[in-house]
Amino acid sequence: GQQVMQIPQYQHVQEGEDFTTYCNSSTTLSNIQWYKQRPGGHPVFLIQLVKSGEVKKQKRLTFQFGEAKKNSSLHITATQTTDVGTYFCAGESGTYKYIFGTGTRLKVLA
Amino acid sequence: GAGVSQSPSNKVTEKGKDVELRCDPISGHTALYWYRQSLGQGLEFLIYFQGNSAPDKSGLPSDRFSAERTGGSVSTLTIQRTQQEDSAVYLCASSLAWGESQSYEQYFGPGTRLTVT
Repeated sequence: GQQVMQIPQYQHVQEGEDFTTYCNSSTTLSNIQWYKQRPGGHPVFLIQLVKSGEVKKQKRLTFQFGEAKKNSSLHITATQTTDVGTYFCAGESGTYKYIFGTGTRLKVLA
Repeated sequence: GAGVSQSPSNKVTEKGKDVELRCDPISGHTALYWYRQSLGQGLEFLIYFQGNSAPDKSGLPSDRFSAERTGGSVSTLTIQRTQQEDSAVYLCASSLAWGESQSYEQYFGPGTRLTVT
């Protein structure tokens, strides 16, 4: 079945450093979503990417969808303590169900 | 407006007992998902409902798990003869239907933390 892997599993950065998490699917995706889950909270939607090679920005966050629509990345510039949490990608491949990645847990050291 | 609500927020049950978890989606959202999240892990897809179509049950881990969605709104996830490995947070999410929106953002409820002793 479809699998979605994320790396790294954990990342500790100093405040102000950049952070990137990568998402790889075993199958071609129709679209991919990114979510953030704060400790003790539930996932909150960040963005959806649909087009091959698409790049979207939200302030310090940059999201990319690969040309082959099998991988994606989230890059945070100049991390802040408010960025702490687990970032998940979720891929959909035409079946209307989303397979979530394994997540990357980000810790930001002040 | 009201978001997705789930009840109970916490449930402790003895091994072998049945449990029912409830999800109230956002009004007007015809798509509803159930996920399971074990401690420190990712989200495991369980089941997907879309309007009056037959649900996608491909993620249910065993025949002890079942789910219903009555009237296209409230959903109930039932776990029969609970086992310790069923302990997890069960999350429900709802979204607009495919074709109604350019983005199928899922709105998650706060989850039900299930502990099987």
